[in-house]
Amino acid sequence: GAGVSQSPSNKVTEKGKDVELRCDPISGHTALYWYRQSLGQGLEFLIYFQGNSAPDKSGLPSDRFSAERTGGSVSTLTIQRTQQEDSAVYLCASSFLSPLHFGNGTRLTVT
Amino acid sequence: SQELEQSPQSLIVQEGKNLTINCTSSKTLYGLYWYKQKYGEGLIFLMMLQKGGEEKSHEKITAKLDEKKQQSSLHITASQPSHAGIYLCGAANSNFGNEKLTFGTGTRLTIIP
Repeated sequence: GAGVSQSPSNKVTEKGKDVELRCDPISGHTALYWYRQSLGQGLEFLIYFQGNSAPDKSGLPSDRFSAERTGGSVSTLTIQRTQQEDSAVYLCASSFLSPLHFGNGTRLTVT
Repeated sequence: SQELEQSPQSLIVQEGKNLTINCTSSKTLYGLYWYKQKYGEGLIFLMMLQKGGEEKSHEKITAKLDEKKQQSSLHITASQPSHAGIYLCGAANSNFGNEKLTFGTGTRLTIIP
């Protein structure tokens, strides 16, 4: 596909369970970003991958959050022991220079 | 860290009317990006501004960056229902490219027929 693809589009999970969110960036884009959008809030930066450099993890809210980017392409955001406050839309974006291209997001609901 | 404040937070406008959304930064902007988001969808890139005093237009949407590079405005002329959505401004932390963006909290635009 031509755009950033995220899966699943919706995820409902029970508190305490682990979840994995997937992002397929646009082919050739060296930079990949994860953001979180909570109800009524702006976009909160989580983590940023640029080529083979060490990722910028400065936005991860706790050690329950982690992300990988394999082969410089697909990325997985993992949330362990989910809490209700983790409920949000998780958006992935990729870029080669500017601007960022966003996927449609994964809406995570923790019950 | 850089903070972006958008105003107004929400806006209800009658179809055909003009409107303006503002984005103010606490620091000098290296690059200012405008995005639009519809419910359940990702962000759609509208325009990017980098130079002080720069102005760009696309169809009925015009974005400007002030000379001091700390404030941007987005102006929609003769609004249409298709303009409805959430408008977000995002700021680059440097001018090196491929940098993470800091976003404002958004302006929700509703167009009344």
